[in-house]
Amino acid sequence: ETGVTQTPRHLVMGMTNKKSLKCEQHLGHNAMYWYKQSAKKPLELMFVYNFKEQTENNSVPSRFSPECPNSSHLFLHLHTLQPEDSALYLCASSQEGRRGLAKNIQYFGAGTRLSVL
Amino acid sequence: SQQGEEDPQALSIQEGENATMNCSYKTSINNLQWYRQNSGRGLVHLILIRSNEREKHSGRLRVTLDTSKKSSSLLITASRAADTASYFCAIVAGGTSYGKLTFGQGTILTVHP
Repeated sequence: ETGVTQTPRHLVMGMTNKKSLKCEQHLGHNAMYWYKQSAKKPLELMFVYNFKEQTENNSVPSRFSPECPNSSHLFLHLHTLQPEDSALYLCASSQEGRRGLAKNIQYFGAGTRLSVL
Repeated sequence: SQQGEEDPQALSIQEGENATMNCSYKTSINNLQWYRQNSGRGLVHLILIRSNEREKHSGRLRVTLDTSKKSSSLLITASRAADTASYFCAIVAGGTSYGKLTFGQGTILTVHP
C-alpha cells in the first residue's frame, strides 16, 4: 500500500461514453500527477497539479480533462476516447516546494487499466 | 529527448546472480531516480541519487552516477525471484522547479529460481 488509491482498477468503455478516473492520496502531499503507460512506450506525463494549480499539460488531447478539487484528490474525466487511448493510467503524488529544487520522489497508485472499444 | 534510456531492454538471470541495468540521458540533471514496477501495477521508488553524488547504496541496491558520461547504473546483488519486475530510471532535469520526472522505457528483469 503506497498511500495512493486509484479507482476503478479496470475500465472498459465505448468511444461515445463518458467516464472518470479517481485518485486519492493519504500522504499529505501537495502535488499530484497523471501518467499514461502504453505498451512498449515510456511512461508519459500528462498533467501536473502543484498546490491544486495545474502546472503542466503535456499537449494532452482535450478528450482528457483533469480536475483537482483539493490537494488529496485528482480526477481524470474521459469522453469520446479513441482505441489508441487504451493504456494503464497511473496517478502519483509527491511533496514539492513552491520554488526551488524539491526531492521529487513520487508515490504511485496501482493504476487503472483502460480499454476503449 | 531528455528522457532516460535503459539498457538492456530485457535481462534474464538465475537467482543469486547480480543484475546490472544502465541508464543514459541527454540533459543536465538535478537528480536521477530508479523505480520498480511489478506487472500491471504502479511504480515503487527505489533510490534517488543527486547530481553531486557518485554512488549510493540501499540494501542490495547500488546506484552509480557519472554526470560526465550522462549515465547511471543500478546493481542488484544476490538477486531473488521476487526481484522479477520492470526497472525504470527517471530524471529530474536541472532547473526544474516542479516534480517533473522523465522516464526511460525500462529494463525487464526476470530472475529464475
